[in-house]
Amino acid sequence: DTGVSQDPRHKITKRGQNVTFRCDPISEHNRLYWYRQTLGQGPEFLTYFQNEAQLEKSRLLSDRFSAERPKGSFSTLEIQRTEQGDSAMYLCASSQGAGPGNTIYFGEGSWLTVV
Amino acid sequence: GQQVMQIPQYQHVQEGEDFTTYCNSSTTLSNIQWYKQRPGGHPVFLIQLVKSGEVKKQKRLTFQFGEAKKNSSLHITATQTTDVGTYFCAPSTDSWGKFQFGAGTQVVVTP
Repeated sequence: DTGVSQDPRHKITKRGQNVTFRCDPISEHNRLYWYRQTLGQGPEFLTYFQNEAQLEKSRLLSDRFSAERPKGSFSTLEIQRTEQGDSAMYLCASSQGAGPGNTIYFGEGSWLTVV
Repeated sequence: GQQVMQIPQYQHVQEGEDFTTYCNSSTTLSNIQWYKQRPGGHPVFLIQLVKSGEVKKQKRLTFQFGEAKKNSSLHITATQTTDVGTYFCAPSTDSWGKFQFGAGTQVVVTP
């Protein structure tokens, strides 16, 4: 158990619907990351937060995607008007700080299937 | 941009045999992480390498960072069925935590 919790673990939704994933990082971890992973591929970086500030977003994060971390603790990732290409596992990770020595721990992921 | 290539993509190993997976980059890396992902699971941190030529061991696993910091390897001795999974290398980029994961080496172990 890495301590990073994600909810829901599995979500099946119809194309065009909105979905929201929640991530609770390891307690006192200042940094929180979102990745996406499709079958047979390595995880791809989406965005990350330092406390409540979203510091970087990947070009993979289209306008339909939005992530928040309002109080610097848990984070949500919302996908609006889902498309079949959004089907993937969405991974949340956290670290205490930045730089080598600050291990990044992943949660168990939230699987999204868009039908 | 920085990209890494992992070879082989797939490795079928007989239990008890050794094998090595490689991670190669066209650019110099500041550091590199290795993760293991079991089928249906999530990436689990294994090791971090920072120094040129660094070698770290974890029981049957030996990790190496090249002298030029452009490649890394993971060597597993006496493979066990518990070693099944996909091994990813993940170099850091300009932002900590913004890793550039390789495509991974999927390892299957035959008893």
